Amino acid sequence: DGGITQSPKYLFRKEGQNVTLSCEQNLNHDAMYWYRQDPGQGLRLIYYSQIVNDFQKGDIAEGYSVSREKKESFPLTVTSAQKNPTAFYLCASRPTGADNQPQHFGDGTRLSIL
Amino acid sequence: GENVEQHPSTLSVQEGDSAVIKCTYSDSASNYFPWYKQELGKRPQLIIDIRSNVGEKKDQRIAVTLNKTAKHFSLHITETQPEDSAVYFCAAGVTGGGNKLTFGTGTQLKVEL
Repeated sequence: DGGITQSPKYLFRKEGQNVTLSCEQNLNHDAMYWYRQDPGQGLRLIYYSQIVNDFQKGDIAEGYSVSREKKESFPLTVTSAQKNPTAFYLCASRPTGADNQPQHFGDGTRLSIL
Repeated sequence: GENVEQHPSTLSVQEGDSAVIKCTYSDSASNYFPWYKQELGKRPQLIIDIRSNVGEKKDQRIAVTLNKTAKHFSLHITETQPEDSAVYFCAAGVTGGGNKLTFGTGTQLKVEL
């Protein structure tokens, strides 16, 4: 979906470093989501936000933080507390108030450890 | 919480044959079941979804069936083509309340010539 932009496409993290992954959407969607994808484990929910200035933990939130200061943006910070950050990170969004609308994904960011 | 199991993990079929991927879920409150297709290195893309008030849905060569009693749903692809080769994910969730989805672990489908 061209309306969801994730950057960078590839990211490298040094030990003890925090890194931030960007997710921007111009679809006017209220809800946004962050998933982590590891080989053989499918997609696991890290955090989600249904409205500006509000977000909830998903199933694997430890070692991650998010903010939702603008409707269009939902950045994810991978902190040094996340001991195994190497993964493919996917951002998704959907409109709320319309339960029939599915989540649509960005192109992802692949994070690796140096 | 919800738990979704998906089988098989890999599936190889001949071009023109049918492919079936099965998923089970644990939370009887789940009422929304999408299927996503992900090609290598690309984003997952929704191919079909079904809600719990419907037992079957079809879109050209793709169909999904849902058995609420048994808590399982299946993806059926007929007349498979090489471009159907990808990883397919099922998911389950509850509409409203954040619309969180729990995903299966994926099925690598390979359509051989």
